[in-house]
Amino acid sequence: EVQLVESGGGLVQPGGSLRLSCAASGFTFSTYWMHWVRQVPGKGLVWVSRIRADGSSTTYADSVKGRFTISRDNAKNTLYLQMNSLRAEDTAVYYCARDVQYGLADWGRGTLVTVSS
Amino acid sequence: QTVVTQEPSFSVSPGGTVTLTCGLSSGSVATTYYPSWYHQTPGQAPRTLIYNTNTRSSGVPDRFSGSILGNKAALTITGAQADDESDYYCVLYMGSGIWVFGGGTKLTVL
Repeated sequence: EVQLVESGGGLVQPGGSLRLSCAASGFTFSTYWMHWVRQVPGKGLVWVSRIRADGSSTTYADSVKGRFTISRDNAKNTLYLQMNSLRAEDTAVYYCARDVQYGLADWGRGTLVTVSS
Repeated sequence: QTVVTQEPSFSVSPGGTVTLTCGLSSGSVATTYYPSWYHQTPGQAPRTLIYNTNTRSSGVPDRFSGSILGNKAALTITGAQADDESDYYCVLYMGSGIWVFGGGTKLTVL
């Protein structure tokens, strides 16, 4: 069974940093692209970032480009999202998801990031 | 910037059939956008229904089907049930490693 478990969320001040993790199990992590998606409570889903299976290529939504960095450790079956220069509008639940044929086939339960002073 | 469009809300009777759509503010959706569909109930993570236009995710009943209808991607639900209520999202692959979600459709079964 595919399992994705996010962690690392919490309260951070504007301008601060946070690193999210996503522990993967139940599939061969090193062979799948992975994504981060976020959702402001009560609002819609927003795609954030994607990384290729071997980590060789990353892409980002314009809203986070230059501030967020997606990475992975295939030996540890873990996906990361380093978030710097955080803003109030980055407050959201962050989900990791496994890519299958350009769709987000499996999701974690999410971790809440709150940016507030 | 291209916007992915979805109906804000839709209503269906129990046992009925409903088709939700996913379009573009400019242009037509084709299979090359690899449309996928998700259902989300309050407080829960999204559940994948359909990916790559018409492939059902594991465990999804065949009441759910995906297609291209005209210039949009479509999700058809047949035999609607009470637990089909809540929010449905589509996402399109825009190329160059970029995905864009639609704003979501709130489905009511009554």
